[in-house]
Amino acid sequence: DQQVKQNSPSLSVQEGRISILNCDYTNSMFDYFLWYKKYPAEGPTFLISISSIKDKNEDGRFTVFLNKSAKHLSLHIVPSQPGDSAVYFCAASVGGGADGLTFGKGTHLIIQP
Amino acid sequence: SAVISQKPSRDICQRGTSLTIQCQVDSQVTMMFWYRQQPGQSLTLIATANQGSEATYESGFVIDKFPISRPNLTFSTLTVSNMSPEDSSIYLCSVVLGNTIYFGEGSWLTVV
Repeated sequence: DQQVKQNSPSLSVQEGRISILNCDYTNSMFDYFLWYKKYPAEGPTFLISISSIKDKNEDGRFTVFLNKSAKHLSLHIVPSQPGDSAVYFCAASVGGGADGLTFGKGTHLIIQP
Repeated sequence: SAVISQKPSRDICQRGTSLTIQCQVDSQVTMMFWYRQQPGQSLTLIATANQGSEATYESGFVIDKFPISRPNLTFSTLTVSNMSPEDSSIYLCSVVLGNTIYFGEGSWLTVV
């Protein structure tokens, strides 16, 4: 049973527009959520995180929204740039990451010129 | 941030052999993890590498298959034993530093 789900394997967005990547989770014990970006042949790169005590966290072009009642989080990228084309992984943990992360399967974001 | 170096970055291995992956961190870290990403799959936690004690393995992973060493706060190794084609994966070392979890570049193993 997958505890973290990214239901869109891929997403295509025009350059300059907003990219919205979605993630759902089932484990109500998760209290810390992270987004990673991964280019081919590289390890995941940390993008942004959010604690369960918040509903929004913003860092430059990246904003993560958390809806605890719906067990849903989303990553917004605005404006989208060609370099944003990558696979994005949603990850969740209990205890702030001390027990490791549970990952979704990833969403391949393609930014079109 | 943390700089994490993994060796080898890539290897082709014969079925039945074992390979040891090294992970070196530029800072002392308490929490260190090993993950696997099989082709087309998500990253899956193999084990937590505990300094000075035995690693803690997740369900589906055992010490005989994936022995782990953690001799100090900056270094760990993961051995993939008696490899089969199903072990063809990216193996990633990960550390917790502050409130963030960082990953190495990964070791891409292909078993033939």
